Amino acid sequence: DSGVTQTPKHLITATGQRVTLRCSPRSGDLSVYWYQQSLDQGLQFLIQYYNGEERAKGNILERFSAQQFPDLHSELNLSSLELGDSALYFCASSVGDRRSTEAFFGQGTRLTVV
Amino acid sequence: AQSVAQPEDQVNVAEGNPLTVKCTYSVSGNPYLFWYVQYPNRGLQFLLKYITGDNLVKGSYGFEAEFNKSQTSFHLKKPSALVSDSALYFCAVRDTGGGADGLTFGKGTHLIIQP
Repeated sequence: DSGVTQTPKHLITATGQRVTLRCSPRSGDLSVYWYQQSLDQGLQFLIQYYNGEERAKGNILERFSAQQFPDLHSELNLSSLELGDSALYFCASSVGDRRSTEAFFGQGTRLTVV
Repeated sequence: AQSVAQPEDQVNVAEGNPLTVKCTYSVSGNPYLFWYVQYPNRGLQFLLKYITGDNLVKGSYGFEAEFNKSQTSFHLKKPSALVSDSALYFCAVRDTGGGADGLTFGKGTHLIIQP
């Protein structure tokens, strides 16, 4: 167990809908990262937050947004969902924001858009 | 831009034999390199990383990796494979000098250890 908790584990929703994925980082970790894993794109970095502030953006669509709250948990909001958004969404956390620091991953939320 | 290539989709090894999972990378500066393992329906587990210093890095579960700057490679190795090592392995890179702050992952290599 990595100590990173993601809820829900599975989510099935219809096209056009909006969902929120939640992540609780390891105790003491200030950085949270979101990744998307799909068969065609592989693992892609979406966004990073550090201590409540957005730190870096990757291949995140404009329909997607995230935030990190004062208690350091994070939420990833996905709106106007399309079939192609079906994927496994991972949250990861690390102690700081140094580029040499490894991140620890949650078990993911499997999103299915029908 | 940074990128990672894992040239083999699948590697088959007999139990007890040594294993190698290949990874090559491309960054504009110097790399930080990582290996992760993913078991079915699980998240990624950190195995080891290369930051600087000794080219041979030791990690969890008896795995090690060798950094080769001239060949821009970071191959994962284990002297004696176990059936329980069967999983999906990902190599990842982050440029030390800047650029994308998230990890860039390879496509992954399925490692199958045959009894």
